[in-house]
Amino acid sequence: AQSVTQLGSHVSVSEGALVLLRCNYSSSVPPYLFWYVQYPNQGLQLLLKYTSAATLVKGINGFEAEFKKSETSFHLTKPSAHMSDAAEYFCAVSPGTSYGKLTFGQGTILTVHP
Amino acid sequence: GAGVSQSPSNKVTEKGKDVELRCDPISGHTALYWYRQRLGQGLEFLIYFQGNSAPDKSGLPSDRFSAERTGESVSTLTIQRTQQEDSAVYLCASSLSGGAPDTQYFGPGTRLTVL
Repeated sequence: AQSVTQLGSHVSVSEGALVLLRCNYSSSVPPYLFWYVQYPNQGLQLLLKYTSAATLVKGINGFEAEFKKSETSFHLTKPSAHMSDAAEYFCAVSPGTSYGKLTFGQGTILTVHP
Repeated sequence: GAGVSQSPSNKVTEKGKDVELRCDPISGHTALYWYRQRLGQGLEFLIYFQGNSAPDKSGLPSDRFSAERTGESVSTLTIQRTQQEDSAVYLCASSLSGGAPDTQYFGPGTRLTVL
């Protein structure tokens, strides 16, 4: 069975500051990991995913995440926050040996202050 | 091309009524998923369809919930005798082949409110 924990239901940063959204997972098999973003009144959009190639994954809008097996983490970062990054972010895990049934974390709402 | 579409976008119903939610996946995508997002929570898996294979219904919360898919096209999620705890956003997603690393493309969701 898989599970995902996102530390911090709300994160607030200033524009231009580093964004760090934390995600820890548990999985009995090597996982595939995803970050999705949900803007207000919109559907989920894929930011990036880890599929066992490079451990440092670059996504859209300047976001990246690093898969650390020893820490069972897949934290999302962006060097400089922009006002348009304000949204809810979800980390999800898919088991590596089956179809893509995603298990999601609770989500982290990112607020960006001017 | 067109993304995943869902209808209606909003549905308000009275407790005890049946509702039907529709999902149109991306053309050519063989896999289709339904998820539920309750207020302030993450998404919960409900059901998975892959081609003509038997669906994985392991996430359906009760026998009041059912879903169908015609081939590799439209899917409908039906909730019978709705309860207030069924209030949530119901999201549909499709992917090319259903494989674990495949990207799932989500529709905008149907917001269901049960009074």
